[in-house]
Amino acid sequence: NAGVTQTPKFQVLKTGQSMTLQCAQDMNHNSMYWYRQDPGMGLRLIYYSASEGTTDKGEVPNGYNVSRLNKREFSLRLESAAPSQTSVYFCASRSGGATDTQYFGPGTRLTVL
Amino acid sequence: RKEVEQDPGPFNVPEGATVAFNCTYSNSASQSFFWYRQDCRKEPKLLMSVYSSGNEDGRFTAQLNRASQYISLLIRDSKLSDSATYLCVVIIRNAGNMLTFGGGTRLMVKP
Repeated sequence: NAGVTQTPKFQVLKTGQSMTLQCAQDMNHNSMYWYRQDPGMGLRLIYYSASEGTTDKGEVPNGYNVSRLNKREFSLRLESAAPSQTSVYFCASRSGGATDTQYFGPGTRLTVL
Repeated sequence: RKEVEQDPGPFNVPEGATVAFNCTYSNSASQSFFWYRQDCRKEPKLLMSVYSSGNEDGRFTAQLNRASQYISLLIRDSKLSDSATYLCVVIIRNAGNMLTFGGGTRLMVKP
């Protein structure tokens, strides 16, 4: 099992450019999440998907959109990147049930100039 | 006020020392508690769940105090490899069952 994979690992954008961050999990989890992590701010939830076909806003959704393409894949799109979106982005899936563990991908380091 | 608060540290300790971190949570509807570990420039990974009666996993002991709304993590006989950031995580029952993360406590174990 690869667990949770993310692409790309690094990206540099200019202000106003768009891009999509890809995430996939092979653990058959229903729930998937997108977080951003900034120094001194901890992990903040951007969007989540409780199951295939549903998405909901988290704490900091402005400037982002998501797509739950199927059970495996959950993508995050920046339509018009801003310097304030410079951050490390983590995708995660959650097992639920008795163990209820959240598994994170390796992260995408995004810089917006 | 943040839902989950941690001392950011860093805690600098020598190898072999015992170190303890506390985490306080503000929402009394918090129902599940965890410690995650995050190495530098890596993703967070589950270290251990925290049970009401307290629980131990090798050198690591987690405690929950519901009355005072805090959880703790004790690390005995610190190793260099324990150097990392430790994230306190809470699931709040009436917040869509989302995980809420503390800002993390950084531990540096020195030789």
